[in-house]
Amino acid sequence: GDSVTQMEGPVTLSEEAFLTINCTYTATGYPSLFWYVQYPGEGLQLLLKATKADDKGSNKGFEATYRKETTSFHLEKGSVQVSDSAVYFCALSDRMDSSYKLIFGSGTRLLVRP
Amino acid sequence: GAVVSQHPSWVICKSGTSVKIECRSLDFQATTMFWYRQFPKQSLMLMATSNEGSKATYEQGVEKDKFLINHASLTLSTLTVTSAHPEDSSFYICSARKGGGLDTQYFGPGTRLTVL
Repeated sequence: GDSVTQMEGPVTLSEEAFLTINCTYTATGYPSLFWYVQYPGEGLQLLLKATKADDKGSNKGFEATYRKETTSFHLEKGSVQVSDSAVYFCALSDRMDSSYKLIFGSGTRLLVRP
Repeated sequence: GAVVSQHPSWVICKSGTSVKIECRSLDFQATTMFWYRQFPKQSLMLMATSNEGSKATYEQGVEKDKFLINHASLTLSTLTVTSAHPEDSSFYICSARKGGGLDTQYFGPGTRLTVL
């Protein structure tokens, strides 16, 4: 079945450092790819998405490019802030599945130190 | 916006009792709602998918008689944990999908259930 694999955390960075969180996927259909973020004590929020190969999703300085050839959707940010500390989830939704259910990776905790 | 609320945000109950959790889409109609369970430091596990006016579709391994889901309207879905036991203690999260073929889900803040 479909699956998402994320790099294990926690990832600890200093403020203004470059961030990469790796995400790879396995899917039999034509997935849409997502990054969700969960701040402490809050629900998941959609950070960005991409619906087809070579699409780049971006939001709040974060970017991720849908790479079909490497089945990857790595999350990047050029300069992280303390306020970016959260848990980040990579997810996919198979558009051939009419239920649109999401399959999540295990989540990566990011801690940014001042 | 697309706001989803859950109530209660946390609940403590005795073993053997039933607990109902509500999930509401506040500013849109949700054709589909999803219920997830999240264990500490782990990912979200999809429990079931519910469509308004029809029976929920449960994922493999999820007991449908224990986790009763009702999706009575386009803005409300409920999850009832029946005869709760300590192993049911978890963080339960709902999400709602807007219609129109969009595949973006909007998540509620979650409900922390503790069964004593």
